[in-house]
Amino acid sequence: GENVEQHPSTLSVQEGDSAVIKCTYSDSASNYFPWYKQELGKRPQLIIDIRSNVGEKKDQRIAVTLNKTAKHFSLHITETQPEDSAVYFCAASSLYSSASKIIFGSGTRLSIRP
Amino acid sequence: DADVTQTPRNRITKTGKRIMLECSQTKGHDRMYWYRQDPGLGLRLIYYSFDVKDINKGEISDGYSVSRQAQAKFSLSLESAIPNQTALYFCATSDTGRETQYFGPGTRLLVL
Repeated sequence: GENVEQHPSTLSVQEGDSAVIKCTYSDSASNYFPWYKQELGKRPQLIIDIRSNVGEKKDQRIAVTLNKTAKHFSLHITETQPEDSAVYFCAASSLYSSASKIIFGSGTRLSIRP
Repeated sequence: DADVTQTPRNRITKTGKRIMLECSQTKGHDRMYWYRQDPGLGLRLIYYSFDVKDINKGEISDGYSVSRQAQAKFSLSLESAIPNQTALYFCATSDTGRETQYFGPGTRLLVL
């Protein structure tokens, strides 16, 4: 069945450094790849997404890259700050499918060291 | 995001009891979902509904059932709760044609 693998499961970086989280997906029909951030005790919220017709998307300190051939996509956070500490989930789905649903990765707990 | 609400927020129950978790939304979205979150396992889909007459099983539907009472309401039931159903449960909504999911605040369930 469809599967999304996410690595690493935990990540600790020094404040100001960059963080990278990687995901791979199995369903070649997937064409939409969102990233959700879940702060401690709160609900997941969308922070950035990318569609399969582009290879990279940026929003301030956050960027996502997609390699459709290899079926993997990554989240890059630059100049990390304490408020970036959270659990991050990648996901994959196929837009425009009548049965479309999102499959989530298992999450990465990111800690920013002061 | 007060547009998606869940009740109760916390629940302790005993093995074998039937319980219902409720989700309501004022976003006007057609699609609603129930997820379960366990440490290290991410968000796993239990059931989803694309409109009032549509119910679909997700990857872990065994032991659960759902009811879509109206566009704005989607309930999850555990007919006979067991300890390994102890988890954090999230309801989510999305608009048809737009894949952003809006999550409720979650219900923390403990089955003794």
